[in-house]
Amino acid sequence: QVELVQSGAEVKKPGASVKVSCKASGYTFITHGINWVRQAPGQGLEWIGRISAYNGNTDYAQNLRGRVTLTTDTSASTGYMELRRLRSDDTALYYCAAAKDPYYYQSGNSNPFDYWGQGTLVTVSS
Amino acid sequence: SYVLTQTPSVSAAPGKTARITCGGNNIGRERVNWYQQKPGQAPMLVMYYDSDRPSGIPERFSGSNSGNTATLTINRVEAGDEADYYCQVWDSNSDQWVFGGGTKVTVL
Repeated sequence: QVELVQSGAEVKKPGASVKVSCKASGYTFITHGINWVRQAPGQGLEWIGRISAYNGNTDYAQNLRGRVTLTTDTSASTGYMELRRLRSDDTALYYCAAAKDPYYYQSGNSNPFDYWGQGTLVTVSS
Repeated sequence: SYVLTQTPSVSAAPGKTARITCGGNNIGRERVNWYQQKPGQAPMLVMYYDSDRPSGIPERFSGSNSGNTATLTINRVEAGDEADYYCQVWDSNSDQWVFGGGTKVTVL
């Protein structure tokens, strides 16, 4: 069965960086892109960005562009999200989610998020 | 960027119908996905491309999309349907996914 397993909780100081991993299993890695979504305490879902596991193409949320970088290691079937210059309002549960890759399937961009990781809590506090 | 507006809360008695709406400018031209999130859990896809149900989602769940409103309907509501529900659309103008603010469904 498909599983996305994320790395453990992190506590960081303001201004630091964090890198969260998302290891996929149960499907061929390059067929699904990896999206990242975060949820601040008691708040809704916020999309961070996505990366094609097929060709490495990325799209980022406008408000995080410049602070976030998404990468993949296809040999390890793992996606990574790095967020830099952390602020207190970056404190959130960070999820990875897999969706059919539009580049692999040569389809539109509306493919839903079929599979989700368990979430990684990132706390930013001095 | 594109904005999706959801009513913060909806309630329904067991066996009745809950309708969750997602408003957006000409949203009827877009493909809408819906996610259910129960407390302490990751979101789960319950409807995609407006009205398609993933395997394992009961037929009680249905979706529609027209004009400026997309709707997720839950018929014969059960206690287990109590959750937050989020709509989602791909904004092709800004090349980013957009989520609605979420609707908390309470089963009375």
